[in-house]
Amino acid sequence: GAGVSQSPSNKVTEKGKDVELRCDPISGHTALYWYRQSLGQGLEFLIYFQGNSAPDKSGLPSDRFSAERTGGSVSTLTIQRTQQEDSAVYLCASSLAGENTIYFGEGSWLTVV
Amino acid sequence: QKEVEQDPGPLSVPEGAIVSLNCTYSNSAFQYFMWYRQYSRKGPELLMYTYSSGNKEDGRFTAQVDKSSKYISLFIRDSQPSDSATYLCAIDNGNNRLAFGKGNQVVVIP
Repeated sequence: GAGVSQSPSNKVTEKGKDVELRCDPISGHTALYWYRQSLGQGLEFLIYFQGNSAPDKSGLPSDRFSAERTGGSVSTLTIQRTQQEDSAVYLCASSLAGENTIYFGEGSWLTVV
Repeated sequence: QKEVEQDPGPLSVPEGAIVSLNCTYSNSAFQYFMWYRQYSRKGPELLMYTYSSGNKEDGRFTAQVDKSSKYISLFIRDSQPSDSATYLCAIDNGNNRLAFGKGNQVVVIP
């Protein structure tokens, strides 16, 4: 596709369950980002992947959060033992290497009940 | 101190009015400034990008950067109902990421 693709678009899960969110970046984009957007808050940086370099995980809020990127393309964000405060929109973005402008997907809307 | 501050208050204006939004940032070393527009239940999309002090125009939109004051602004002229969205300022902080403001929800009333 032409843009960043994320799935699922909506997810309702029970507290304590694990969830996986998927991101398929724009073809040819080597940089991939995950951000979180909570109600009334700005975009909070979570993690950054660039090519084969070690990811910048400095934004992950706890060890319940992890992400991987396979083959330099698709990425999965995993949240273990979800808590209600994890409810948010999880946005994936990608860019060309060295570019300042990043392109977002539609987001995965997560609700933990 | 946050890297970028944006007063997140909502803003309602009548159609045709000028919308004025602004952000402040903390580090004078920042060089790249962006405004993103986010429609309801959509991802943010890049609206304007600038890297120098002064004004940059694109149709009805003007982005303004004042590096001496560490202040960035977005102006929307002749606002339209289709401009109703949340506007987020963003700054490249040089650490492989963009730092975003909290966003302003703008409603243009027909």
